[in-house]
Amino acid sequence: QITLKESGLPLVKPTQTLTLTCTFSGFSLSIRGVGVGWVRQPPGKALEWLALINGDDEKHYRPSLRTRLTITKDTSKNQVVLTMTNMDPADTATYYCTHSPPVGNYVDSWGQGTLVTVSS
Amino acid sequence: ETTLTQSPAFMSATPGAKVNISCKASQDIDDDMNWYQQKPGEAAIFIIQEATILVPGIPPRFSGSGYGTDFTLTINNIESEDAAYYFCLQHDNFPYTFGQGTKLEIK
Repeated sequence: QITLKESGLPLVKPTQTLTLTCTFSGFSLSIRGVGVGWVRQPPGKALEWLALINGDDEKHYRPSLRTRLTITKDTSKNQVVLTMTNMDPADTATYYCTHSPPVGNYVDSWGQGTLVTVSS
Repeated sequence: ETTLTQSPAFMSATPGAKVNISCKASQDIDDDMNWYQQKPGEAAIFIIQEATILVPGIPPRFSGSGYGTDFTLTINNIESEDAAYYFCLQHDNFPYTFGQGTKLEIK
């Protein structure tokens, strides 16, 4: 059974850097094609895909946020870390971690999400 | 970037009814469309894969149709437990994109 759990500080100040950790179980991110990604949802708005890293260490980013995002993995800890620099109140959202199976590139599992508020 | 236009944003249905939720892509995405259900405070559940394939464990009253640019999620014989937020996701190209979501209320 695949589980994903997001963690990180719930409150960050404008201009600060957000660091989110996805701790997962039930699969290995060493397997070719398996992916872990991040998605966010601002209050009352649609979901927005942010980034993905896979077992081949390929990384994909949302183009509009490319300069602010970094995704990394630690396969020994079963963790994926997303950092977002220069946070703004518009980045207030629930951030979700996702899993993609080795074939198909789709998302088949989600974490429960963690709410991040950007405020001074 | 592929834009997904999902409708309606909100719908209300009575138990036993049939509902359709639409998701239209701004460009051809083959069958690279998935549907999810999400309830408040819970992880989203994967319900339809590759536009038409029912994910194992999902009740057969859920079904998906479409190919290319027009997709539909259908729920037959709605039950009270189907009250949730439904959204579509295209994984044909990066960045993945989502529909705006549909909140389904059961009267």
